[in-house]
Amino acid sequence: SQQGEEDPQALSIQEGENATMNCSYKTSINNLQWYRQNSGRGLVHLILIRSNEREKHSGRLRVTLDTSKKSSSLLITASRAADTASYFCATDARSNDYKLSFGAGTTVTVRA
Amino acid sequence: EPEVTQTPSHQVTQMGQEVILRCVPISNHLYFYWYRQILGQKVEFLVSFYNNEISEKSEIFDDQFSVERPDGSNFTLKIRSTKLEDSAMYFCASRWQDLGEAFFGQGTRLTVV
Repeated sequence: SQQGEEDPQALSIQEGENATMNCSYKTSINNLQWYRQNSGRGLVHLILIRSNEREKHSGRLRVTLDTSKKSSSLLITASRAADTASYFCATDARSNDYKLSFGAGTTVTVRA
Repeated sequence: EPEVTQTPSHQVTQMGQEVILRCVPISNHLYFYWYRQILGQKVEFLVSFYNNEISEKSEIFDDQFSVERPDGSNFTLKIRSTKLEDSAMYFCASRWQDLGEAFFGQGTRLTVV
């Protein structure tokens, strides 16, 4: 299975702290995408990182990709209460017929 | 900002009834998808659609499911005879190119009673 697996399953932090979550996957990918989901809502696209990229930034988000370890990390800096959500990685590969494979997600709670 | 829109946001249906979930993908996108998420579980792939035909489908997407792009804007998922286990959040997604950013709609919460 191509699926990404996030770690940890849940994370609770204080507002202002950084949150880091990891994603591991099993086979080669073309890119990896991170999504946020507020409780019971839709999936919001955060960032796409291609297999030939090592790091990408978007506002307070920093994503890294290590293809040798088949892992990615998402860092949210200076977290806010509004960052409380579930975060999912999704792998994307030609070998997987171009369909995104999602992990189980990391639930992040930011305490005020 | 362009977005994927889905209707209805919530549908309750009796077991055995047919439902049609509707999606309007982003206008210049070429690749369309349906995914579902059973409460508390992973987001699962159902089907992908490109060039007016199904390009890939999962084991979940059996004969009870069908997709259609009836006109230039809508993309629908039909479940012919709903079962209790079809209760889930159904997400439509689209992207301009394969391996590009995939954008999801807000989802339709389907409850089968």
